[in-house]
Amino acid sequence: AQSVSQHNHHVILSEAASLELGCNYSYGGTVNLFWYVQYPGQHLQLLLKYFSGDPLVKGIKGFEAEFIKSKFSFNLRKPSVQWSDTAEYFCAVDGSGGSNYKLTFGKGTLLTVNP
Amino acid sequence: GAVVSQHPSRVICKSGTSVKIECRSLDFQATTMFWYRQFPKQSLMLMATSNEGSKATYEQGVEKDKFLINHASLTLSTLTVTSAHPEDSSFYICSARTSKSDTQYFGPGTRLTVL
Repeated sequence: AQSVSQHNHHVILSEAASLELGCNYSYGGTVNLFWYVQYPGQHLQLLLKYFSGDPLVKGIKGFEAEFIKSKFSFNLRKPSVQWSDTAEYFCAVDGSGGSNYKLTFGKGTLLTVNP
Repeated sequence: GAVVSQHPSRVICKSGTSVKIECRSLDFQATTMFWYRQFPKQSLMLMATSNEGSKATYEQGVEKDKFLINHASLTLSTLTVTSAHPEDSSFYICSARTSKSDTQYFGPGTRLTVL
């Protein structure tokens, strides 16, 4: 079955630490990849997305993600986190490559940044 | 731009009653809307996809007669939970996309509690 795995359930960092959240998927064909963020009490917001081209994509708020096709991975990174980055982060995959736009989500990673 | 609203944000109902949740795209026309369900500490699970003017496509395991979806206009989709039971208690989230975008924009969600 198609699936999306996020390795870390809860990550706790201090401000200015570097962040990397893992995401792996199990689709064999063309995929569109997304990272969404959900701040406390707010709705899901798009951080960044990859459809094609440069496998290193940059999103909002200093986040970036790298698509490594051979590893079926799309890890999210930020060189220096801030307290305001405390949120839940979801990796999502459109396994249809854009033909039906259905998203499969990972279970999410809760990021807590301590001041 | 790309704002999606949901109403109500929270609803409590008695077992056996029906509940309607509205999802609106406020500043764009949504050719496709999606309905998700999120259990505590779990990921979003796609329930169904609806295209304006046509019947919704339900994911495997989702009861069509229990979760009625109507997408009557390009800015409104409704999810009706019929004869709700306590096990239907969950967080229901909608998203919407336009015909020109591969990105889904999410609503803030509706917390349903069935007593």
